[in-house]
Amino acid sequence: DSGVTQTPKHLITATGQRVTLRCSPRSGDLSVYWYQQSLDQGLQFLIQYYNGEERAKGNILERFSAQQFPDLHSELNLSSLELGDSALYFCASSSGRDEKLFFGSGTQLSVL
Amino acid sequence: EDKVVQSPLSLVVHEGDTVTLNCSYEVTNFRSLLWYKQEKKAPTFLFMLTSSGIEKKSGRLSSILDKKELFSILNITATQTGDSAVYLCAVSGAGSYQLTFGKGTKLSVIP
Repeated sequence: DSGVTQTPKHLITATGQRVTLRCSPRSGDLSVYWYQQSLDQGLQFLIQYYNGEERAKGNILERFSAQQFPDLHSELNLSSLELGDSALYFCASSSGRDEKLFFGSGTQLSVL
Repeated sequence: EDKVVQSPLSLVVHEGDTVTLNCSYEVTNFRSLLWYKQEKKAPTFLFMLTSSGIEKKSGRLSSILDKKELFSILNITATQTGDSAVYLCAVSGAGSYQLTFGKGTKLSVIP
């Protein structure tokens, strides 16, 4: 168990809908990362937050947004969902002092 | 743009065999290279190699970083069925702790 908690584990929804994925980092970690994993693309970096502020942005679509709250948990919002958004979404956390990331178990999103 | 290429994409071996997984990379201002093991869901950390630590070993697993040739290898000796997983290689560059991942090597160890 990495200590990173993600909910829900599975999510099934329809095209055009909006969903929110939640992540609680390891105790003491200030940095949260979101990654998307699909079969053909592998793990793709979406966005990073550090102590409530956006630190880096990767290949995140404009339909997606994220935030990190004062208690350090983070949410990833996905809107106007398309079939191609079906993937495994991971949250990872780190202390912020190095690049060793600890991953949650992921949220499997299926858009039908 | 940072890039990580892993080979082979998949590998099937018998228990007891030794395997070598390869990772080549291109990254601006290299900071570190990391190996992860992904069995069912969450990738779990194996090793981190930096300029000051180019060789790591833990039990039957070991890894070497060649900064000149821009590659790393992960060796697993005396493989067991529990080693079956996807092994991911990732790199980070200066200015950011985000990781760029390769697509992984799927290792299957058969009894």
